[in-house]
Amino acid sequence: NAGVTQTPKFQVLKTGQSMTLQCAQDMNHEYMSWYRQDPGMGLRLIHYSVGAGITDQGEVPNGYNVSRSTTEDFPLRLLSAAPSQTSVYFCASTKGLAGTGELFFGEGSRLTVL
Amino acid sequence: KQEVTQIPAALSVPEGENLVLNCSFTDSAIYNLQWFRQDPGKGLTSLLLIQSSQREQTSGRLNASLDKSSGRSTLYIAASQPGDSATYLCATDKGNTPLVFGKGTRLSVIA
Repeated sequence: NAGVTQTPKFQVLKTGQSMTLQCAQDMNHEYMSWYRQDPGMGLRLIHYSVGAGITDQGEVPNGYNVSRSTTEDFPLRLLSAAPSQTSVYFCASTKGLAGTGELFFGEGSRLTVL
Repeated sequence: KQEVTQIPAALSVPEGENLVLNCSFTDSAIYNLQWFRQDPGKGLTSLLLIQSSQREQTSGRLNASLDKSSGRSTLYIAASQPGDSATYLCATDKGNTPLVFGKGTRLSVIA
C-alpha cells in the first residue's frame, strides 16, 4: 500500500542551487499536484497535472518547474533555490480529472534554503 | 476567488467532550467539500467528502454537514479522545478547479 511517495523527506540547499523533489503514486491516478505549506499561509497550490503530458500552474508557480512524462511520476524542480522557498512540500493525487474526489497526500518534503 | 475560513485556529477540550469544528466558504457554487486531518510532521489524510447534492456524511465518531446556501460546513466529533489531537482542514472545489484549503483548526484533546 505505497500510495503517494515523496523523496527526499528532508533537504538543505544553499541559495542558487537547484534540485528536484520526487513524487510517485501507484494508484493509477490521472490528477497529481504539488502544494507548499507555510505557517499562517495554509496550503497553496504550485502546479498540477490532469494526465501525462499535461501540466498547469497553480497559485504560486514562480521558481518551480514540473513535467509529467508518465502517469506515476510528477517531479517538482527548483531551478535556483531562494530562502523564500523554505517550506514543506506536499504531493497529492486523485482519480478525479479536475482534482475532485478524495485527495491522497504524500508525507511531505521539508526543504530549507540557506 | 473562493476563500475558505476556519475558526477557531486552535481549540483545546477535555477528553470525552463532543465538539464542532467550523468551516465557511465565500462561493457557494461548490462541487465537493472535504475534511482532512493532519498530524504533526505528516501529510493530510482525507476524512470525509461531501458532494454538493448531499447534506452530510458520517464515519465512525465523525459527522460532517454541509449547508451550501449559507456557505458553511461543520465537522462534529463525538466523545473526543487524545488520539483525535491533530489539525483539521476543510477544502472545497468547483468540479473543474483544484481544491481551495482553509488554514485549519488545531485541536488538542486533554486526557
